[in-house]
Amino acid sequence: AQSVSQHNHHVILSEAASLELGCNYSYGGTVNLFWYVQYPGQHLQLLLKYFSGDPLVKGIKGFEAEFIKSKFSFNLRKPSVQWSDTAEYFCAVNPDSNYQLIWGAGTKLIIKP
Amino acid sequence: DADVTQTPRNRITKTGKRIMLECSQTKGHDRMYWYRQDPGLGLRLIYYSFDVKDINKGEISDGYSVSRQAQAKFSLSLESAIPNQTALYFCAASTGPDEQFFGPGTRLTVL
Repeated sequence: AQSVSQHNHHVILSEAASLELGCNYSYGGTVNLFWYVQYPGQHLQLLLKYFSGDPLVKGIKGFEAEFIKSKFSFNLRKPSVQWSDTAEYFCAVNPDSNYQLIWGAGTKLIIKP
Repeated sequence: DADVTQTPRNRITKTGKRIMLECSQTKGHDRMYWYRQDPGLGLRLIYYSFDVKDINKGEISDGYSVSRQAQAKFSLSLESAIPNQTALYFCAASTGPDEQFFGPGTRLTVL
């Protein structure tokens, strides 16, 4: 069965540290890839997405992600985090346009001021 | 205007009661979804609908039913609520397989 793995369930960083959150998926075909963010007490919103083209995708708030097909990975990065990045981050994969999204379990990110 | 709205935002009910959660979207998205979120378990799909006549079970549909009354409306029912259905419920909508837009969530407590 298709699955999405987010390696870290909890990450704690200091402000200005660099961030990388891992995401791996198990589907071998063409995929659409998403990162969503959920700020405390809020609903999920899209950070960035990859459908095709340049595998380095830039999103909102300085986030980027790199699609590495050979590694089945779509890791999220930010060079310098801020306290306001404290949130839960979800990776999601759509293995087929006629299928629903497969979600990772999420990574809770806490940024210490 | 919010793209996706949910009512109620909070609900406390008792075991055995029938509950309906409602979802509306204003942007003409064809696809709609119901998820539940539990701490440490991420998002789990309950039901999804790719158009008004297409309803599909998700990962955890037991104990739930849905109705797509119109393209813009997708309601979730708990026929006989039980305590382990206490959770945060999100509705979402998308156009095709593109970005899903989420509602603000309904916090349901079943006593």
